[in-house]
Amino acid sequence: NAGVTQTPKFQVLKTGQSMTLQCAQDMNHNSMYWYRQDPGMGLRLIYYSASEGTTDKGEVPNGYNVSRLNKREFSLRLESAAPSQTSVYFCASRSGGAYDTQYFGPGTRLTVL
Amino acid sequence: QQPVQSPQAVILREGEDAVINCSSSKALYSVHWYRQKHGEAPVFLMILLKGGEQKGHEKISASFNEKKQQSSLYLTASQLSYSGTYFCGTETGNTGKLIFGQGTTLQVKP
Repeated sequence: NAGVTQTPKFQVLKTGQSMTLQCAQDMNHNSMYWYRQDPGMGLRLIYYSASEGTTDKGEVPNGYNVSRLNKREFSLRLESAAPSQTSVYFCASRSGGAYDTQYFGPGTRLTVL
Repeated sequence: QQPVQSPQAVILREGEDAVINCSSSKALYSVHWYRQKHGEAPVFLMILLKGGEQKGHEKISASFNEKKQQSSLYLTASQLSYSGTYFCGTETGNTGKLIFGQGTTLQVKP
């Protein structure tokens, strides 16, 4: 079991460029999440998908789009990157049962110049 | 709304105890605690459900005061490996959506 995997691990973009962050989980979890982490701000929820075929906005969705491609994969797209989107991005998944919790991927460190 | 953690930072010697608090202005359904080492992903420690048991780590315990919408994480006889940033994640219903506090940085010195 690989758990939650993310690609790429590091990325540098220029302002205005676009890119997609990929996330996959092999735990057969129903729910998947994208967070960004900035110094002193904790983890902020960007978008989440409670189940295959559904997506909802989190706390900071502006400038991002997501796609729940299938049960395993949940991607995050930046259409026109801005320096304010420089951050570490974490994907997480959750089974949805009682006493379950979220399992995080290793993160993608994104710098927008 | 983001829960508030206190203290923001704490420094301990090995063997000392620490308490980290997490407060919410909304009624809570569950509280999840995580620890994050520098440059790594958050790792699950503990979950507390409204009206339910706590489940998690052997050497770390926690409490959930449903009336005050507060949770506390208790780290006893701290070890060097306890160093890191601790986050509480709160759920206001069975939504599957966690909102995290800003984190508490714990440093354990020899």
